[in-house]
Amino acid sequence: GAGVSQTPSNKVTEKGKYVELRCDPISGHTALYWYRQSLGQGPEFLIYFQGTGAADDSGLPNDRFFAVRPEGSVSTLKIQRTERGDSAVYLCASSLFKGSPLHFGNGTRLTVT
Amino acid sequence: AQKVTQAQTEISVVEKEDVTLDCVYETRDTTYYLFWYKQPPSGELVFLIRRNSFDEQNEISGRYSWNFQKSTSSFNFTITASQVVDSAVYFCALSESGTTDSWGKLQFGAGTQVVVTP
Repeated sequence: GAGVSQTPSNKVTEKGKYVELRCDPISGHTALYWYRQSLGQGPEFLIYFQGTGAADDSGLPNDRFFAVRPEGSVSTLKIQRTERGDSAVYLCASSLFKGSPLHFGNGTRLTVT
Repeated sequence: AQKVTQAQTEISVVEKEDVTLDCVYETRDTTYYLFWYKQPPSGELVFLIRRNSFDEQNEISGRYSWNFQKSTSSFNFTITASQVVDSAVYFCALSESGTTDSWGKLQFGAGTQVVVTP
């Protein structure tokens, strides 16, 4: 596709459940980022991948959050034992290389009930 | 501590009016990038501009213009002759140097909602 694709667009889950959010970056983009946006706030950085490795995961709020990018393309953000406070829009972005502008997807709206 | 401050929560204008969005940032780095992104109701963040800390030249792109002043740590954004399609949330963001791995680690302000009515 032409842009960053995120699936699902919406996810409703019960407190305590496990969820996976998928990001398909723009083809050829080596850098991939996850951000979280709460209602009425700007996005907050979670984690950055350069290729397959997590170059910076300093934004992950706790060890319930984990992300992978095994082949250097698609990435999955995994949240264990979800809590109501995890409810937010999770945004993925990719860039051609380090330093080039980020292109964001439409996000996955996660609701934890 | 909030590193990017967008003091205006919401600005309402009538079509064809100009609107200026304020952005004040805080950093100790000498090398950094500043950004503006637009988030329309569809939710996708759209990149508008990136400026590095060594380039204080103002920039104009169509109806958009940016005023970067290091002396006041501000990077303001003006939409001239606003249109209904400009209605969106606009975010200012800062990327500090650290290492080159930091460039995409943006710190966003809280955003300014712009409402343009016909």
